[in-house]
Parts: sequence; structure tokens; C-alpha cells
Amino acid sequence: GAGVSQSPSNKVTEKGKDVELRCDPISGHTALYWYRQSLGQGLEFLIYFQGNSAPDKSGLPSDRFSAERTGGSVSTLTIQRTQQEDSAVYLCASSFSGSRNYEQYFGPGTRLTVT
Amino acid sequence: KQEVTQIPAALSVPEGENLVLNCSFTDSAIYNLQWFRQDPGKGLTSLLLIQSSQREQTSGRLNASLDKSSGRSTLYIAASQPGDSATYLCAVRFTSGTYKYIFGTGTRLKVLA
Repeated sequence: GAGVSQSPSNKVTEKGKDVELRCDPISGHTALYWYRQSLGQGLEFLIYFQGNSAPDKSGLPSDRFSAERTGGSVSTLTIQRTQQEDSAVYLCASSFSGSRNYEQYFGPGTRLTVT
Repeated sequence: KQEVTQIPAALSVPEGENLVLNCSFTDSAIYNLQWFRQDPGKGLTSLLLIQSSQREQTSGRLNASLDKSSGRSTLYIAASQPGDSATYLCAVRFTSGTYKYIFGTGTRLKVLA
């Protein structure tokens, strides 16, 4: 079936604006992850969902960042009052926890540029 | 602190060579380890996943091994091709009460024709 999709693919916003990033996981995947990849940096974990709940949100960098997941499917990552340091590629991954191996499948990412 | 390190940071080899990429981690209590490739401007493609109970996994020209006691995994690429040029990332999920994967910073591979 279809892979993980993310939208938009690119987003340019002015400092101080709010942005919403969307992730559509692979159908049937119960686990969903958000990561951030800044220029020249490794992937930084943000938040993990199991179904609609988020048992691990330890990577969210500040209270300007929030995420939700509805219907055990689509997830949105919201960044309020964006800052220039928020500029990065935001990647979403999903996995089927029922298989107990949690192999992650990634979407293409959303490139966020804050001007 | 749980960390994942990849050495070398960059590697350039002529086509046809067999090569080894290294991933080391600071805590042997892991759930699993996953290898990915990332092409420029693209997302990550899963290559191999090794469970903590496994010693190796193979897919085509790729073989990944795991030695938990020494905190190491290697990705072996046989008969490298220019199409293998990409950044290779390893990610570890540790067992200590967390669901997150910790990524290494990657090895940027260039295979010369």
C-alpha cells in the first residue's frame, strides 16, 4: 500500500507565525514518531504516539511545540510563534507495534524555513 | 547518557569495493537497531532491522551484524555501486523505559564509477 506521506513538503513562514505539519502513516500502523533534522545535525526525536496517546514526548524542545493524533491515524505537529531556530526538516515515521519489531518507515519530510 | 556514534563520518571508495560502516552505542541494553539510507533531500529508507536477540541480518548485498556486549553494529556492503552513494544512518532503541530511537550522525558514502 501507500507509504508514509507528509504535507506540506515545503513551508516558509515568518518568525512569530504558527505552523501545522501533517503526517499520514501507513494504514494499520499503530506507532507514530516525529523527528527533526537540522542542517548538518542528526535526527532528533520529538514525540512518540501509540494509537492516539503519546507516552513519550520527551523530545519536544519547548512548550511552543505540540502534537496530536486522531483516529489512530493522522498526526499533526504544531509549532506556535515560530523562531528561526525551528528551521529544519521535520520527519514522521510509523511502525506496526503488533509485530513487536517496531521497524520504522519514514515519510519524505517537511522542510520548514522560518524567515 | 545513551549515545550512538558512527565512524567514519564520510567515506569515498571506487566502485566494486566491499566496505564496512560502523555504529557504536553506549548501552548494551537495546531493544533493536535499524540501519537506514538517506538520499539528499529525501526521507529515510529502511535497510535492515536487527532485534536484540539476533546476531545478523542480510538483504541482498547488505549484511548487518550486532554485538551487544561490545556495543557495536556493522553494515557490510558487498561489491559497492555508484547507486549506493548516500548517507547511512543507524538508530538504536534502548530498553530503558523509552520508546524513542537515538540516531547516529551518519556516514556519508560516495562510490566512484
